Amino acid sequence: EVQLVQSGAEVKKPGESLKISCKGSGYSFTSYWIGWVRQMPGKGLEWMGIIYPGDSDTRYSPSFQGQVTISADKSISTAYLQWSSLKASDTAMYYCATWRVGTSDYWGQGTLVTVSS
Amino acid sequence: QSALTQPASVSGSPGQSITISCTGTSSDVGGYNYVSWYQQHPGKAPKLMIYEVSNRPSGVPDRFSGSKSGNTASLTISGLQAEDEADYYCSSYTSSSTLGVFGGGTKLTVL
Repeated sequence: EVQLVQSGAEVKKPGESLKISCKGSGYSFTSYWIGWVRQMPGKGLEWMGIIYPGDSDTRYSPSFQGQVTISADKSISTAYLQWSSLKASDTAMYYCATWRVGTSDYWGQGTLVTVSS
Repeated sequence: QSALTQPASVSGSPGQSITISCTGTSSDVGGYNYVSWYQQHPGKAPKLMIYEVSNRPSGVPDRFSGSKSGNTASLTISGLQAEDEADYYCSSYTSSSTLGVFGGGTKLTVL
């Protein structure tokens, strides 16, 4: 069974750094793209970026380029999303999901990030 | 503003059929057969319901079907059930972005 298990909810202050994770199991982690999706409170879904764990090829949505960093450690089948300096506007639910052209077959359970002073 | 346009809400009674539209352009929906649909219940992660316009993943009831005509894709749910009440999002490959784009989402209410 394919599973993506994300790290737990985070509460941070503006300016702090953060790295959240997504561990894949039940499939060949290095053979499929995996990406991150943002959902702000009461809003829709937005692709942030994707990474191919096999060679760490990474693509970002223009809206998120330079704002976040996506990485992966294939030795532990885990993808990461990190911020160097959080803003209140980063408050959102973040989902990881497998990615292939036009489709995301499997999704993590989501990680809620709250940024508040 | 989302790249793909969906109605904000639709509703139907149990047993009825409803259709949710997803309108794009020839650079996304109209140009490629890479349209997918996701169901999201409150507080839950999205779930893939339809991929490549009209294909159902294993385990998705055949009450759910997808189609496309020109620049508009559609999700039809027949024999509506209370458990179908959720938000639905379409997504498409687009020539302007490797990652693809989502619609703004449609809230389905089962009366």
